[in-house]
Amino acid sequence: QSALTQPPSASGSPGQSVTISCSRTNSDVGSYNYVSWYQQHPGKAPKLMIYEVTKRPSGVPDRFSGSKSGNTASLTVSGLQAEDEADYYCSSYAGSNNVVFGGGTKLTVL
Amino acid sequence: QPQLQESGPGLVKPSETLSLTCTVSGGSISNSGYYWGWIRQPPGKGLEWIGSIYYSGSTYYNPSLKSRVTTSVDTSKNQFSLKLSSVTAADTAVYYCARHPTITGSYDPWGQGTLVTVSS
Repeated sequence: QSALTQPPSASGSPGQSVTISCSRTNSDVGSYNYVSWYQQHPGKAPKLMIYEVTKRPSGVPDRFSGSKSGNTASLTVSGLQAEDEADYYCSSYAGSNNVVFGGGTKLTVL
Repeated sequence: QPQLQESGPGLVKPSETLSLTCTVSGGSISNSGYYWGWIRQPPGKGLEWIGSIYYSGSTYYNPSLKSRVTTSVDTSKNQFSLKLSSVTAADTAVYYCARHPTITGSYDPWGQGTLVTVSS
């Protein structure tokens, strides 16, 4: 059982927007602004897409955006493209020098 | 950005110690101001942070693995290492090394990962 809860799957058609949620009942997500999102294509290493809830590393398209409300963080992918099909993982600082990950969400572009 | 590359045995026997090294190229670990971490992913499952080491040598471990994990850094070789003792089949996973600017996460970049299987 993962520390952070994500839906196992999400889907959308090309050009549409899709939002993936990430939550934890004991408020790690709510207590800290240190939520990151990673994209992982099959057989590849994860890639940082969002850090500190809303920030995008250089080179990440602005179609990817992050937000947080209470104990739930979200990743929104706008203008879906075929190459966005991948697994997405959230992570959050959990205090006491510990980081936890979500179980991952498989995004399918229909 | 630097490049990271994991290396080590792909097969470890139960109860033995798993040892991996991450070699950093295109950037120095020394005085970098960065943390250097290990994350693993069992086949078909999610990610788990194992532990990290600051460039100065301070270490930080996942509480669930702390009793079995040791990390170290060799600045002369621009490498950092992971040791996980008393392994079982549950430790079978792809092990990744990654750089991060703070202990709060934001792992970037990552190594390509190396599969370690625990089996007799």
